[in-house]
This record gives sequence, structure tokens and C-alpha cells, in this order.
Amino acid sequence: DQQVKQNSPSLSVQEGRISILNCDYTNSMFDYFLWYKKYPAEGPTFLISISSIKDKNEDGRFTVFLNKSAKHLSLHIVPSQPGDSAVYFCAASDGGATNKLIFGTGTLLAVQP
Amino acid sequence: EPEVTQTPSHQVTQMGQEVILRCVPISNHLYFYWYRQILGQKVEFLVSFYNNEISEKSEIFDDQFSVERPDGSNFTLKIRSTKLEDSAMYFCASSDLPPPQPQHFGDGTRLSIL
Repeated sequence: DQQVKQNSPSLSVQEGRISILNCDYTNSMFDYFLWYKKYPAEGPTFLISISSIKDKNEDGRFTVFLNKSAKHLSLHIVPSQPGDSAVYFCAASDGGATNKLIFGTGTLLAVQP
Repeated sequence: EPEVTQTPSHQVTQMGQEVILRCVPISNHLYFYWYRQILGQKVEFLVSFYNNEISEKSEIFDDQFSVERPDGSNFTLKIRSTKLEDSAMYFCASSDLPPPQPQHFGDGTRLSIL
């Protein structure tokens, strides 16, 4: 089951630069997408989300872009900070009654000082 | 900020034994979930719970699994007869509404089956 894919297992970025994390999906019924950040020994922490009726959502340093025709979304972090170093998960929901989330495998972001 | 709390943080159990994982969701939330993450793999949906009943379960959630909301604050996951392959991190999550409200996760219980 590869409905949500994050093809980059890791990413290294210099402090102050932009981090771009990518996610692809296959199920066209997904209508709601979320990004979670996870530190070791902690649960996923919600970062930002986007509905399929939008192509961009911004919250401070975090922006999520959605390209429905390509079934692709990305998370931009500008400027990146060392505290952003964590595993980032993309998740999707079909917005059904249960709102279950389908997760990607995650991307480990390392922000170098 | 309100948070989802899970206990214990680590549970070690002999194969074949019953285990109960406990969660206290955020107090005004109505939707409850269990997910698990086997080491090195994706976070996987197990079950969702709303209005005192299961609303959806995955194929992983077989007859060995059950969930309960025994009172107004706790939400439990029981595994009746544990198997080695049940070893994983189990996450509880809750939300106050369906999308676009996000699910909030606890820090998880690491279950080790010997």
C-alpha cells in the first residue's frame, strides 16, 4: 500500500536556507492533507494542513503547496532553523466519516547551523 | 496547551499475554484513534472510535484487538493474546471534529513482545 509516498528519506539544509519536503499520492479521493513533525521519543505534532480545494496554505515559516493534477504536495520551511531538525510526515485523508490518516514514510530533515 | 497522554511509555510483555494500552484524549475531543508504527515502517491506522462505537477499523485490527472508552476520559486498546509481530509503537490520537480539524497525537507506548 503506497498511497502516500515520500521519496526522500533524508534532507540536509543550512540554517537560514529553504527546506523543501515533497510528498506524492495516488488516491484521487484524498481531499485533505497534513504535515506532521516528529522528534525522537515523541508523537507526531501537527504542523499545517491544506484542503484539496486550495493550492497553497501558509502559516508563519511554513507553507504547503498542493498540485492536484500532479498528485503532489510540498512543505516549504523558510528560513530553516536547527530546531526544525526532525522527521516530517505527510498524511492524507479522504475526508470520510472516520477521518483516518494515511501516512507517508517520513523525511528526516537535518538543519545544519 | 491540552495534550493527549498515553501510559505506559514502555510495556514489555510475554507472547500470548494480554496487554492494555491507555490513553487520555484531549477533554473536549469527540473522535479517537489508534495508530501503530513498527520499527522502520510507516505509521498505520488501526481503528477510529466515535459516539461510543468503532467507526472504522483496518485489516490489522483483527479479533485480538479491542477498544473501549470505559469512562469520560480514558480510551484503551487491548490486545488479547500478543504476538511477536505486535511489537511496535502505538499512538493514540484525538480530534474535536472531522476535517479540517487535525488529529493530535500522544507520545506513544512502545510495546515489546518477548
